[in-house]
Amino acid sequence: DAGVTQSPTHLIKTRGQQVTLRCSPISGHKSVSWYQQVLGQGPQFIFQYYEKEERGRGNFPDRFSARQFPNYSSELNVNALLLGDSALYLCASSLALGELKRQFFGPGTRLTVL
Amino acid sequence: AQRVTQPEKLLSVFKGAPVELKCNYSYSGSPELFWYVQYSRQRLQLLLRHISRESIKGFTADLNKGETSFHLKKPFAQEEDSAMYYCALLNSGNTPLVFGKGTRLSVIA
Repeated sequence: DAGVTQSPTHLIKTRGQQVTLRCSPISGHKSVSWYQQVLGQGPQFIFQYYEKEERGRGNFPDRFSARQFPNYSSELNVNALLLGDSALYLCASSLALGELKRQFFGPGTRLTVL
Repeated sequence: AQRVTQPEKLLSVFKGAPVELKCNYSYSGSPELFWYVQYSRQRLQLLLRHISRESIKGFTADLNKGETSFHLKKPFAQEEDSAMYYCALLNSGNTPLVFGKGTRLSVIA
């Protein structure tokens, strides 16, 4: 098992554009969480999805949205990109909803907004 | 609101010296505390959980509820311990992990 995978690895966008980041959880894991890690900071929670439903949302604007597919993979969308959205976006998967203590992280997608 | 504070951005120690990475938290209930580590060019991974009371790679951490601290310790640092270390808190219920800003540990040969 390759663990949690994310694509793309790196991405460069300009202000105002939209971006979609993808995540495939570990096989058998049904919960996916997204985190934003700005340079010099710890990861900050954005969303948690379980069984295709949003189960938690952090303090992020509505420009951020996500969804989970029947195969439990997930996409994070960010609209109207701002310079401050430049960050490493991490995806983490866990077996079930209450298993955040046993999350496994992906390598991240580094987004640069110019 | 819950908060995790790691006061040191960078900690440099010599190989063989003791290491202590500080973590303080604010939360009124009974949290679970974790240490995550990120080695160079590797993904973030769980190092240890306070509930397990285990020692991983020689590291231990004790939850001190009176001082609201969860410091990470190792008696003899190794060069391979050089990495970013993040302290994280999980409160009761299905709530997200709250991370500190991280401490970069540099072990000098």
